[in-house]
Amino acid sequence: DIQMTQSPSTLSASVGDRVTITCRASRTINTWLAWYQQKPGKAPKLLIYGASSLESGVPSRFSGSGSGTRFTLTISSLQPDDFATYYCQQYVGYSTFGQGTKVEIK
Amino acid sequence: QVQLQESGPGLVKPSETLSLTCSVSSDSINNYYWSWIRQPPGRGLEWIGYSGSSNSNPSLRSRVTISLDTSKKQFSLKLKSVTAADTAVYYCARERRLPEGGLAFDIWGQGTMVTVSS
Repeated sequence: DIQMTQSPSTLSASVGDRVTITCRASRTINTWLAWYQQKPGKAPKLLIYGASSLESGVPSRFSGSGSGTRFTLTISSLQPDDFATYYCQQYVGYSTFGQGTKVEIK
Repeated sequence: QVQLQESGPGLVKPSETLSLTCSVSSDSINNYYWSWIRQPPGRGLEWIGYSGSSNSNPSLRSRVTISLDTSKKQFSLKLKSVTAADTAVYYCARERRLPEGGLAFDIWGQGTMVTVSS
């Protein structure tokens, strides 16, 4: 199976900061990658699909990039509602998720 | 907006079968694939499998059955021979298959906690 490794595991940031989360795949996955946001006690919410396509209704401060084995999720200006855990997910054969990146208040 | 709702027992004994149902609020249940995903307490997400196929996570394949009942607009999960390691929040989710390949889970249920304990 394909392993997804996110970095960092935890990120401390302030409102207004530019934040970047990285996801690396153990082998190439083209652009078959999605990003999710999860808040405590809630289901994950789809943010980005196809590595860089913004899901409808998601603020434009979220963006995704990458292909092959290296991908990034960027939040251009962190807002109070963005403090959460973020997961990447790939689909080659079957879906696997990264271990998560928690974005916390600095 | 399509809504999903999981239901089933919150407590299952070791070695027994975990059974959950996901109700879909849309008539277009036939037009999509539907998945189960779980999350152990304090940990990450694990895809279990999807409806209409034998495709499931290889680590769970021997214990998993997922079925679709279009007349009731439901799909279900059965996980047999459970242990404490199967304790988790179980989510049902809709798969969006992308034209260029790949997929994403675009609609999720709220999740239901299942504890395996005697």
